[in-house]
Amino acid sequence: QQQVKQSPQSLIVQKGGISIINCAYENTAFDYFPWYQQFPGKGPALLIAIRPDVSEKKEGRFTISFNKSAKQFSLHIMDSQPGDSATYFCAASAETSGSRLTFGEGTQLTVNP
Amino acid sequence: DAGITQSPRYKITETGRQVTLMCHQTWSHSYMFWYRQDLGHGLRLIYYSAAADITDKGEVPDGYVVSRSKTENFPLTLESATRSQTSVYFCASKRGLAEETQYFGPGTRLLVL
Repeated sequence: QQQVKQSPQSLIVQKGGISIINCAYENTAFDYFPWYQQFPGKGPALLIAIRPDVSEKKEGRFTISFNKSAKQFSLHIMDSQPGDSATYFCAASAETSGSRLTFGEGTQLTVNP
Repeated sequence: DAGITQSPRYKITETGRQVTLMCHQTWSHSYMFWYRQDLGHGLRLIYYSAAADITDKGEVPDGYVVSRSKTENFPLTLESATRSQTSVYFCASKRGLAEETQYFGPGTRLLVL
C-alpha cells in the first residue's frame, strides 16, 4: 500500500520556468512532510520540509504548499536552473510511528538550458 | 569528518550467496535506517534501529537481516540473495527521535545474477 503518491514521474522544464511536483497522502496521522533531492550517484539530501500547522514554506527558490483538507502537498521550484536537474522525493512521517519516513515514488526533473 | 559511509559501493553476486552491506556513521546518531531504491517505488524502508541492540522491521524486511552491536555500525545481510534483491541500497541516520532530518550515505549498487 503506497501511502504517499507522487506525480509526475518525470518533468522537463526550460531554464527560468517553474517546476511543480505534487504529492498526496492517505494517513491523517502524518505530521511532517519533507522533500529530498537526489543527484545521480548520490544519496538523497533534505531540501525543505513543512509541518501541517502552516500552509506554505519558502526557502529561496523552493516553496512547499500544503493543503491539509485535501491531504496534498507540492514542491514549487521557481526560476528553475539546469543545476536543479535531479530526482525529487516527497515523504511523510508521523510522530506516533517513530517518525519513520514513507517516501513517494520520485520525480526525475530535467531543466533544459 | 566522514559522516556516513557505505561499503562496498558496487557489488555483483550470484543467486543464493550471502552478502553483507556495511554502513558506518561518525556522528553517534541514535537512529539508523536501511532503504532500497527501485524505479517506480521510490525509497522503501527495509529495517531501522533506534539504538544499539534495538532493531525493527520496515516495509520490506523479507530476505534481509540486520544487527547493531555498536552505535556507529549497521550492517545489512542478504542471507540468500535473489534476483529481486537487485537494487540500490541506502543507509541513513538521524540524531534522535525528535530530530527529523535523515542523512543518507552514498549508496551501494547491488546486482544479483
